[in-house]
Formats: sequence, structure tokens, C-alpha cells
Amino acid sequence: QVQLVQSGAEVKKPGASVKVSCKASGYTFTSHGLHWVRQAPGQRLEWMGWISGGNGNTKYSQKFQGRVTINRDTSASTAYMEMSSLRSEDTAVYYCARDLVATGDAFDIWGQGTMVTVSS
Amino acid sequence: QSALTQPASVSGSPGQSITISCTGTSSDVGSNNLVSWYQQHPDKAPKLMIYEANKRPSGVSNRFSGSRSGNTASLTISGLQAGDEADYYCCAYAGGYIWVFGGGTKLTVL
Repeated sequence: QVQLVQSGAEVKKPGASVKVSCKASGYTFTSHGLHWVRQAPGQRLEWMGWISGGNGNTKYSQKFQGRVTINRDTSASTAYMEMSSLRSEDTAVYYCARDLVATGDAFDIWGQGTMVTVSS
Repeated sequence: QSALTQPASVSGSPGQSITISCTGTSSDVGSNNLVSWYQQHPDKAPKLMIYEANKRPSGVSNRFSGSRSGNTASLTISGLQAGDEADYYCCAYAGGYIWVFGGGTKLTVL
């Protein structure tokens, strides 16, 4: 079946970087875009950025521009989100979510989420 | 990009209907039909309920419906059930390959 499986929980110190993976299965990886969304404890969903299907172009929310990098390994059907210069406010659950299409629409399949804790 | 505006909470009794609004601007909700709605139960990943403003994915109950008028989108749930109690989020395409979520609405089934 179609699914996204994310890497496990991370604990990082302020200033460090974290890289979360999202392995896709059950569909043609490059036929769909893939988004990253985060949710701080008790807070709303926040769109971070995405990588399109096809040519793999990326786009980031202005809030995360320069601090987040999204890329993919098509041979492994896996996408990655790396965030640098972590601070306590980055403590959140990070989700990957598949787009309905390659060019951007809605998010139909979600990963299970990866908890990232930033603490000294 | 600013978050879309949703009421913080709504409530209804079993069997009733409720509507959740999602207000944006002419740059996002008002500019295209790429508005979607997500249901999130506690400690669970979100689930797509409505896409392209008024389309239901396969497997989503027809008690859920969506609409859009101007800068406001709406999600209506009819025949409320206890299992509908959850947080609901709208999301809109804001142009330039950017998406924006709403602040979320907590639905309580009385």
C-alpha cells in the first residue's frame, strides 16, 4: 500500500543540525511532489517547504529559507529535510506528506511524524 | 505568508451540522481552487478530508463537504458523530509554489 515511513525521533542541542528522512513506497516516487510540515507542541500545522515531482524543484516558506534544505534520492524513493542552527523553538513533530500530483495540489498521504527535540 | 484565519473552536450535538470557516486573502484562498481541509485526532497525523475546495478523496464520508466563495472557504460536517471530534485545518495554495495553513479549529461533539 502507499505509505511514507519517516526516521526516528531525534534529540539535538541548540545550534546543531538535524536530518529527517521519509521513505516512500507503493507508488511512483517522482510522479508526486512531497511536502514537509511541522507542528510544535499544542500548536498549528506549519508548511515548511516542498520538492516537486518530476524535476525535483524545491521551494521553502520564507520563515525557513536559508535554514532548511529539502532534497531526495530517487533511486531510494526517499526524501530528506535538513534543518540547521536549531533552537528550542524548533522542537516539534515534523511530517512529510505526499502531494496528490507532481505539480502541487493537496497532501493526501502523511508520514507518521518525527519528533525533534532541541534542548541543552 | 500569514496563517489563514479559522475559529478557534466550534461545537455541535450528535446529528447536527456544523460549518468551519477559513478566511484568507485574494492572494491565497481567493486566487485559486487549491484549498484543502485536514482532520487531526490527538497524537495522530493529519488526514485529507477535502481537496480543490469541494472534492472528497476516496473513503471520506459524504457527510463532509467543502465550498469556497471569495476569500473564504468552508468545511461543513453533517450528521455529527462522536468520532468527528478532532482538530481541523484548512490549507491554501498562495502562489509561487507556497502553501499556507490555517490556525486550526477544535471541534467538540457535545
